[in-house]
Amino acid sequence: TQLLEQSPQFLSIQEGENLTVYCNSSSVFSSLQWYRQEPGEGPVLLVTVVTGGEVKKLKRLTFQFGDARKDSSLHITAAQPGDTGLYLCAGGGSQGNLIFGKGTKLSVKP
Amino acid sequence: SAVISQKPSRDICQRGTSLTIQCQVDSQVTMMFWYRQQPGQSLTLIATANQGSEATYESGFVIDKFPISRPNLTFSTLTVSNMSPEDSSIYLCSVGGPGLYYNEQFFGPGTRLTVL
Repeated sequence: TQLLEQSPQFLSIQEGENLTVYCNSSSVFSSLQWYRQEPGEGPVLLVTVVTGGEVKKLKRLTFQFGDARKDSSLHITAAQPGDTGLYLCAGGGSQGNLIFGKGTKLSVKP
Repeated sequence: SAVISQKPSRDICQRGTSLTIQCQVDSQVTMMFWYRQQPGQSLTLIATANQGSEATYESGFVIDKFPISRPNLTFSTLTVSNMSPEDSSIYLCSVGGPGLYYNEQFFGPGTRLTVL
């Protein structure tokens, strides 16, 4: 069974701080996605990484896929209150489905 | 990306009743998924609904409790039957995106269900 361990589960920081969220597994994934969800809305896809060692940047967000394609990280530089939300990593399953981590609830205080 | 709408957006229901949630997509998609989510927590897959075949349910979810219809490539419904307070949750539908090879999914806004 493929599992994704996501940490930390909760993160409360001040505006301007940096943070990193981790997503780890003992299984290899063909792809891995990061989603952000705000209250009352569905998750929104931020990025997909598919190549081991791949690094993608989306403004202040940096996503990295581990060389062995078993882990990933999301780094946010100079966090802003608008970054507040639930961050979810998800790995591609063999049936076209997604396997989700437990999520990281981020709160950025002004 | 696809635009996905869900109806109703929220509902409050009495125990023992049933609620049908609709999911409409603005383009034809092969795979549709139904999830359950407790507020602030991760998503749990209920079932995968492919047009022209019966839905595939995950462990812990059964067709009698969560019947699903998929009459065409743009529409699906999930019914929560004989509801109890434990069914109170957010129900989300999603679709497999153009990059299906990468398992990308796009989500509807969710239906917030409260069972009294």
